[in-house]
Amino acid sequence: DIQMTQSPSSLSASVGDRITITCRTSQDISNYLAWYQQKPGKVPKLLIYAASTLQSGVPSRFSGSGSGTDFTLTVTSLQPEDVATYYCQKYNSAPFTFGPGTRVDIK
Amino acid sequence: QVHLVESGGGVVQPGRSLRLSCAASGFTLSSYGMHWVRQGPGKGLEWVAVISYDGSKKYYADSVKGRFTISRDDSKNTLYLQMNSLRVEDTAVYYCAKDRQEERWSTPFDYWGQGTLVTASS
Repeated sequence: DIQMTQSPSSLSASVGDRITITCRTSQDISNYLAWYQQKPGKVPKLLIYAASTLQSGVPSRFSGSGSGTDFTLTVTSLQPEDVATYYCQKYNSAPFTFGPGTRVDIK
Repeated sequence: QVHLVESGGGVVQPGRSLRLSCAASGFTLSSYGMHWVRQGPGKGLEWVAVISYDGSKKYYADSVKGRFTISRDDSKNTLYLQMNSLRVEDTAVYYCAKDRQEERWSTPFDYWGQGTLVTASS
């Protein structure tokens, strides 16, 4: 099975900062990569799919890039409501594995 | 308005069985693949199982293979997860989730239920 890694495992940044989260897969998955946001006590929410396509209703400060085995999620101007854990997920084939998550909070 | 509501969770002794249900509304269940995803206390998301839109394909995480069975009853708009031989490590909130695109295999999950808590403990 394909292994998923994310870095960093956690980060703390100031409001307005640009943050970047990296996701790596152990095999080429083309662009079959999604990003989810899970706020504390809430249900996961789809942010980005096909590595770089923003899901409807998601603020434009979120963006994704990458292909193959290396992917990034960027938040251009971090807001207080962005405090959450972010997960990447491969969906090219089963198992539809999630990354271990990156916890983001505000300094 | 898409709505997914899980039920059937509870406290169960290790080795026993439990069946989870996910009632779907606001979309045609028979057109979408459906998944179960779980989250242990303080842990990350773990994909558990998938059933294709037509029911022809079912896959499971290695951690539950041979013990869990995913199924669907489109006439009742309901997804199920039969969990047998439960272990302490199966303790988690179990979410059902819907494929974003209809009649596709490789698609992310665009709607999630609120989850149901399963606790396997003696």
